[in-house]
Parts: sequence; structure tokens; C-alpha cells
Amino acid sequence: ETGVTQSPTHLIKTRGQQVTLRCSSQSGHNTVSWYQQALGQGPQFIFQYYREEENGRGNFPPRFSGLQFPNYSSELNVNALELDDSALYLCASSLGFRGTTGELFFGEGSRLTVL
Amino acid sequence: RKEVEQDPGPFNVPEGATVAFNCTYSNSASQSFFWYRQDCRKEPKLLMSVYSSGNEDGRFTAQLNRASQYISLLIRDSKLSDSATYLCVVSGGSNYKLTFGKGTLLTMNP
Repeated sequence: ETGVTQSPTHLIKTRGQQVTLRCSSQSGHNTVSWYQQALGQGPQFIFQYYREEENGRGNFPPRFSGLQFPNYSSELNVNALELDDSALYLCASSLGFRGTTGELFFGEGSRLTVL
Repeated sequence: RKEVEQDPGPFNVPEGATVAFNCTYSNSASQSFFWYRQDCRKEPKLLMSVYSSGNEDGRFTAQLNRASQYISLLIRDSKLSDSATYLCVVSGGSNYKLTFGKGTLLTMNP
């Protein structure tokens, strides 16, 4: 167990809808990163939050947005869902950008299906 | 060119065999290197970091060649429990984002 929890674990949406995914980071971790993993692919970096500020963003459109709260938990919001947004969304936490060992601790993910 | 490229796989190998995974990366400014393991429908977990001098952890040996921008992972005396997808990962930059390869699926046969 990494101590990183995500919700919901599975959800189904239709094209055009909006979705919010949630992540509670491991105790003491102040940095949260979000990744998208499509079927058969490696995880792709969406963005990172450090002390409630966005600290870097991958090649994702603005309809992917996020928040980090004072307790370091985080949300990922996706607007105007498209079929290609179907994927496993992974949240990873660390202390600082790289933690003490460079390891990121991933939650079990939220599996989103867009119909 | 993709940032991180791995053997496409899948690999099907008998228990006890030695298995080698290869990976190349395109960004010469990359600073840190890892192998992550991902079991079916689970999250990725760190298997081992990779250092320029090479490093070993039990049956697992990782090598890094910065000049060739090449990373490898060797599993000796493979076991059924080694069945998983192995992800080559590099990182760097101010926010230390991880860049993952596509992964190579390893299926061990008894």
C-alpha cells in the first residue's frame, strides 16, 4: 500500500460530459502529479502540483485542469470529454519534486470509460 | 522520435531463463533513470533506480550508458512472479516529470 488513494475507481461517462477525479496523497507528501495511461501505453504526464500551484504541464489541452488543496489532496477535472479520454488516470505523490529517492508513489488509479 | 523507446514485446519465456529488456531515450539532458514494474490492471511501482556505474538488486541488474542514451534491465533465474509489464522511465527538468516508455510485457511460462 502506497498510502495514495484515488476515487472513484471506475466510472463511465458520455462524450461532452465533465468528470472530476480525486486523489489523497501519502501523509507528508506535498507534491501531486497526474498521469494518463491509455490501454497498451505507458503513463503520460498531465501536470504536477506543488504546494497548491501548478508546477509543469504535459502536452494536454486546457480542458484538462486541476487543483491542489491545503491538505495536499488534489483533483483532476476534464471537460468536454472525448472518446480518446478513456484511460486509467494515475495520481502520484512525493515529498518535493523528486522525493528522497526519486520514487513516485502511485495510487491504484481511476479507470474512465467515455462512450 | 519517441522520448523513451522500449522493446515492443511481448516476451514469453520459461521459468529460470535470463531475460533482457532494452530501452533508449532521446533527451540527453535526462537526469534520473528507473525501471518500474506494473502488474495487470494495477499501478506502476518502482523496481529499481539505474545508475551510471550499474547496479544490482538480487536477481535484477540495471545498466545505463549515457553516451549511447541506453538503459537495460536483466533478470536472472526468472520466476513466475516476474510476469508483469516493465516500464523504462527517465526524468529531468525543473518539475522532475517522469517520462515512461510504452512498456514490455513479460509472461513467464512454467
